[in-house]
Amino acid sequence: AQSVTQPDARVTVSEGASLQLRCKYSYSGTPYLFWYVQYPRQGLQLLLKYYSGDPVVQGVNGFEAEFIKSNSSFHLRKASVHWSDSAVYFCAVSAFSGGNNKLTFGQGTVLSVIP
Amino acid sequence: NAGVIQTPRHKVTGKGQEATLWCEPISGHSAVFWYRQTIVQGLEFLTYFRNQAPIDDSGMPKERFSAQMPNQSHSTLKIQSTQPQDSAVYLCASSLEGSNERLFFGHGTKLSVL
Repeated sequence: AQSVTQPDARVTVSEGASLQLRCKYSYSGTPYLFWYVQYPRQGLQLLLKYYSGDPVVQGVNGFEAEFIKSNSSFHLRKASVHWSDSAVYFCAVSAFSGGNNKLTFGQGTVLSVIP
Repeated sequence: NAGVIQTPRHKVTGKGQEATLWCEPISGHSAVFWYRQTIVQGLEFLTYFRNQAPIDDSGMPKERFSAQMPNQSHSTLKIQSTQPQDSAVYLCASSLEGSNERLFFGHGTKLSVL
């Protein structure tokens, strides 16, 4: 079974500061990893995804994430946040096994950016 | 492309009533997923169809919940005898077939059981 842990329920940062949202996953095989964002009153949107290759993947709006296999982590980063980045961020893992590619999500991290 | 369409956006039911939630996936997408979102539990997987066939319903409560996909253009989630603990936002998502394909989510249906 796969699982995802986002240890920080809420993160508050000042506009212009750097950001890291933590994610750790549990899966015995090779995972597909995703970060989704949920803006207020909007559906979840994909920020970035990783399966193989360069462990640092770039996403939309300046976000990136680094896959560290030895640590089972896939932390999300941004060099300089904007107030519009305030949203709920979800890390997710998918395991393609037997044709079943459902996503398992973490609890989410609420990001508040202070202007 | 209107994206994934979920109707209704809000539904209020009385305890014991039935609720049917509708989802129209993006045209051409072969996979449809249902999730339930609450503050306490977060995003919980419910069920998944591929090419209209049920693939995984391991997240569905064994009683009262059922899902169908009678054709490629819509899926329904039905909750019989609704209970207050069923109150949640029910999200539908669709994707192209493939293990690392992104999910496109609808805005969700907020179900409130009084």
